Amino acid sequence: SYELTQPPSVSVSPGQTATITCSGSALPKRYAHWYHQKSGRAPVLVIYEDNKRPSGVSQRLSGSSSGTMATLTITGAQVADEGDYYCYSTDVDAVVFGGGTRLTVL
Amino acid sequence: EVHLVESGGGLVRPGGSLRLSCTASGFNFDHYSMYWLRQAPGNRPEYVSGINGIANSTHYGNSVQGRFTISRDNSKNMVYLQMDSLRLEDTALYYCAKDGGSGSYPGQWGQGTLVTVSS
Repeated sequence: SYELTQPPSVSVSPGQTATITCSGSALPKRYAHWYHQKSGRAPVLVIYEDNKRPSGVSQRLSGSSSGTMATLTITGAQVADEGDYYCYSTDVDAVVFGGGTRLTVL
Repeated sequence: EVHLVESGGGLVRPGGSLRLSCTASGFNFDHYSMYWLRQAPGNRPEYVSGINGIANSTHYGNSVQGRFTISRDNSKNMVYLQMDSLRLEDTALYYCAKDGGSGSYPGQWGQGTLVTVSS
């Protein structure tokens, strides 16, 4: 079965840049999408189709993809950016979320 | 503004059935695919099912294939998830989501309805 692999946790100081990766064998030919989830809330789409930002999402968040890895970058990290980040993508007959990365800003 | 409200969750015995509903507003409902996703406590979200705008194409995650059925009523702006042969591992918060626009990923999500399968 298809899997997307993320680091379990990332920690940065306020104002620093956080990088969260998502690895999957089908990513060279499939888009990656990213969601942010705060405790007790529904996931929120923050990046779609590798590098597009929905309206209302901070410009400090950006996405990229190269080969088998997609990357979410948060510049000038703030406490409000804390939470879990999940990548999402597909392969033939598979729709999957990555295992999630908990971002801590302290 | 997109608004999605799930309902129908509850406590059910293993082997039982439940029907979830999602009421949508704030967008041209029949122009968009809709999804059901779920998330068990402490776990990543999981794709459950999707249906296209005119309801002639559906898709299911491997873990629910053959047990769950997605449908929609465009005259009522509603999408449904019929869940049969429920298992303990189906316990989760179930979310309804609107497609992001290209038919390939969930955009906005509702707040979820809790399904608990327990004896």
